[in-house]
Amino acid sequence: NAGVMQNPRHLVRRRGQEARLRCSPMKGHSHVYWYRQLPEEGLKFMVYLQKENIIDESGMPKERFSAEFPKEGPSILRIQQVVRGDSAAYFCASSPPDGGGDTQYFGPGTRLTVL
Amino acid sequence: DQQVKQNSPSLSVQEGRISILNCDYTNSMFDYFLWYKKYPAEGPTFLISISSIKDKNEDGRFTVFLNKSAKHLSLHIVPSQPGDSAVYFCAASDITQGGSEKLVFGKGMKLTVNP
Repeated sequence: NAGVMQNPRHLVRRRGQEARLRCSPMKGHSHVYWYRQLPEEGLKFMVYLQKENIIDESGMPKERFSAEFPKEGPSILRIQQVVRGDSAAYFCASSPPDGGGDTQYFGPGTRLTVL
Repeated sequence: DQQVKQNSPSLSVQEGRISILNCDYTNSMFDYFLWYKKYPAEGPTFLISISSIKDKNEDGRFTVFLNKSAKHLSLHIVPSQPGDSAVYFCAASDITQGGSEKLVFGKGMKLTVNP
């Protein structure tokens, strides 16, 4: 099954450490989206990337958060100096390059816990 | 500000009956709507979608209705099955000036189908 893959599934960090979340899109997909879900909330858009380009980062916090989608390899969401409020489920989604961006297919998520 | 609203946090129905999940939106620029189903500790799974040029889309037991004038859509599941028990998210596609196609999610509604 060549679905969207995310790793790790669970990540525990202490305050001040860095968190790196990885996402491999579905085969043939070149659009990647990152969403965050806080407890009892819906998913909130963070960033939209295509290969080597950030298209929309309007949902990204201004500090400590960054994302990339290199030419080779997975997309990375990086959170520096994590704080307890960063604890959430982070979902990656992908869509094909041919204008099918309306339907996004999600990975299983990474659950980040900051101690 | 919540642009996509799912005002009922939960719904309980008997197996075999119809489940009706409602969703309201405020942004008249939304032109594509989706329903996702989510089990605990998993990512959202795409269920069904509808374009704003249609008022109904059907796929097996699932039908989505769109009332653009009321900015309202609903998901009908009939007959409901215990395996349908999950959290259902309504989402709208927000195409921005830069060509981004981010999804705006409601907070979700927990459906329980009792045997």
